[in-house]
Amino acid sequence: RKEVEQDPGPFNVPEGATVAFNCTYSNSASQSFFWYRQDCRKEPKLLMSVYSSGNEDGRFTAQLNRASQYISLLIRDSKLSDSATYLCVVRVYSSASKIIFGSGTRLSIRP
Amino acid sequence: NAGVTQTPKFQVLKTGQSMTLQCAQDMNHEYMSWYRQDPGMGLRLIHYSVGAGITDQGEVPNGYNVSRSTTEDFPLRLLSAAPSQTSVYFCASSYSGASGEETQYFGPGTRLLVL
Repeated sequence: RKEVEQDPGPFNVPEGATVAFNCTYSNSASQSFFWYRQDCRKEPKLLMSVYSSGNEDGRFTAQLNRASQYISLLIRDSKLSDSATYLCVVRVYSSASKIIFGSGTRLSIRP
Repeated sequence: NAGVTQTPKFQVLKTGQSMTLQCAQDMNHEYMSWYRQDPGMGLRLIHYSVGAGITDQGEVPNGYNVSRSTTEDFPLRLLSAAPSQTSVYFCASSYSGASGEETQYFGPGTRLLVL
């Protein structure tokens, strides 16, 4: 089983729609959580960190559920420019710290 | 700051050849890592380092070596290239912010084709 799992999509939604992604992680030593965005043929870039209390950045809301070991990303009022692959990322602190990426969820916004 | 730089951007190798992918960062980050990205597979961790002189294996380390003699540099060596190593390779580095937040910064990637 992968340490970080995501629905690969693709999600194809109309402009203005609300879309939500989930991600589950298996390692209970996971301590830090993030969402990254990757455009086609480009490097991933940080979208937002995910805090236990949940956090919002404009149209984006991220939430963490430690008991169920999942994180979520909600995008409201989606724009064409939101089309990308969204990567769930977990930092695990055990004998050594390492950062694990999910395989990504592809989002396509149509006009 | 240049951020994270990777060279070369593109490389074609023949099976059995060896090469080194270079990665450097000028942000004084302690954590550096190498990933490969294949279609439908996401980013898979090859090797990582939590500081100079310290390296560890990730999810897919076979066929690759790393070293971390300085904070700035983290080269990835392919010992004997195989077609299965055709991929896009990303190097990344990160810090721990004062609030505990950590951001990974990625290089632009190296596209490798092994014939």
